[in-house]
Amino acid sequence: GENVEQHPSTLSVQEGDSAVIKCTYSDSASNYFPWYKQELGKGPQLIIDIRSNVGEKKDQRIAVTLNKTAKHFSLHITETQPEDSAVYFCAASISNDYKLSFGAGTTVTVRA
Amino acid sequence: NAGVTQTPKFQVLKTGQSMTLQCAQDMNHEYMSWYRQDPGMGLRLIHYSVGAGITDQGEVPNGYNVSRSTTEDFPLRLLSAAPSQTSVYFCASSFAFGGEETQYFGPGTRLLVL
Repeated sequence: GENVEQHPSTLSVQEGDSAVIKCTYSDSASNYFPWYKQELGKGPQLIIDIRSNVGEKKDQRIAVTLNKTAKHFSLHITETQPEDSAVYFCAASISNDYKLSFGAGTTVTVRA
Repeated sequence: NAGVTQTPKFQVLKTGQSMTLQCAQDMNHEYMSWYRQDPGMGLRLIHYSVGAGITDQGEVPNGYNVSRSTTEDFPLRLLSAAPSQTSVYFCASSFAFGGEETQYFGPGTRLLVL
């Protein structure tokens, strides 16, 4: 089955700096890669996703890149703000499969 | 819309006790699923359902039962609780079946088994 590895497990950044989280996946058939943000005491919420026919996608301060050859994808947060502090999960799936395989999560702390 | 709701928010059980975690959604989603979240392990799929009357096993189904009698509700039953089932449980739903569908998660149930 699919194995998703996520690094780093914790990330502390100064407000205004950028944060980068990296994930690798094992199944070359995976073609959908969402990122979820989980705030304290809440369930994960989708913040951005990318499909395998796209190399990069951006939404305001958040961007995701995908390298299919190397089987890795990354989340980039620019101009970080205190409200970006949360746990971020990457995931991978095959579009006609039910299963979403999650990484272990990255705890991001934005220091004021 | 309330989205995905879960009850209770927190529960303490003794080993061997049984209980049911409730999950409901009001978005008319066909697909519902249960995950457990453990430190350093992300979210792992326990059971899922592609519609009323249809359920199947996920990655870690042992010790859990589910049923789907209505589109709205998808309860998770622990038959005989064990300390290894101490975890945070999330219910999720999506409009359709398929990995590309956005999953909407509930707020979670924190379970402690003593």
